[in-house]
Amino acid sequence: DAGITQSPRHKVTETGTPVTLRCHQTENHRYMYWYRQDPGHGLRLIHYSYGVKDTDKGEVSDGYSVSRSKTEDFLLTLESATSSQTSVYFCAISERTGDSGANVLTFGAGSRLTVL
Amino acid sequence: GQQLNQSPQSMFIQEGEDVSMNCTSSSIFNTWLWYKQEPGEGPVLLIALYKAGELTSNGRLTAQFGITRKDSFLNISASIPSDVGIYFCAGRRDGGSNYKLTFGKGTLLTVNP
Repeated sequence: DAGITQSPRHKVTETGTPVTLRCHQTENHRYMYWYRQDPGHGLRLIHYSYGVKDTDKGEVSDGYSVSRSKTEDFLLTLESATSSQTSVYFCAISERTGDSGANVLTFGAGSRLTVL
Repeated sequence: GQQLNQSPQSMFIQEGEDVSMNCTSSSIFNTWLWYKQEPGEGPVLLIALYKAGELTSNGRLTAQFGITRKDSFLNISASIPSDVGIYFCAGRRDGGSNYKLTFGKGTLLTVNP
């Protein structure tokens, strides 16, 4: 168990309001990621972090910002939410698993965001 | 960006049947991963493949890394109702960089008891 907790799990908000999603991990993993999942698009990377205060953009970063002030927390912020940001958001960490020590992604349970 | 074509998009099968799904790409990948996502949950890793031609099993699941490095296959034998979910493939070109993972759009599997 990678010990990933996402909060809130569900949120409904209105267009133009700020929203922050939190990802918390308990196992000191260096890399953390934010994805969004939409029908017909699968999983798309928004931002990722490779250490405290070290972040970079993914393929769908417009309208999102992130922060990582502590190893265990990776925050995703929508400064002014739009209806197109209605989605399910997944946090993930990189960890080594199995006998081969393979480096793979492990996901949280997701945060469902609805922007009205 | 890189594209992964995953097929079929959805499958409706009877319990006990075998299932096959695949992912193809125009690019070469060094790693193929297969995930399963159940309703209300995040994707969970099923199988990871690292060598061209590799065939790996996990219970009733078997996945193969295509010889050309541009495709991968997942087979489920003797399906059961709990196999229901969305199955995703993911490919990675760089050996250690998960931010370079490309995901397929998923195969929705429904199993009728």
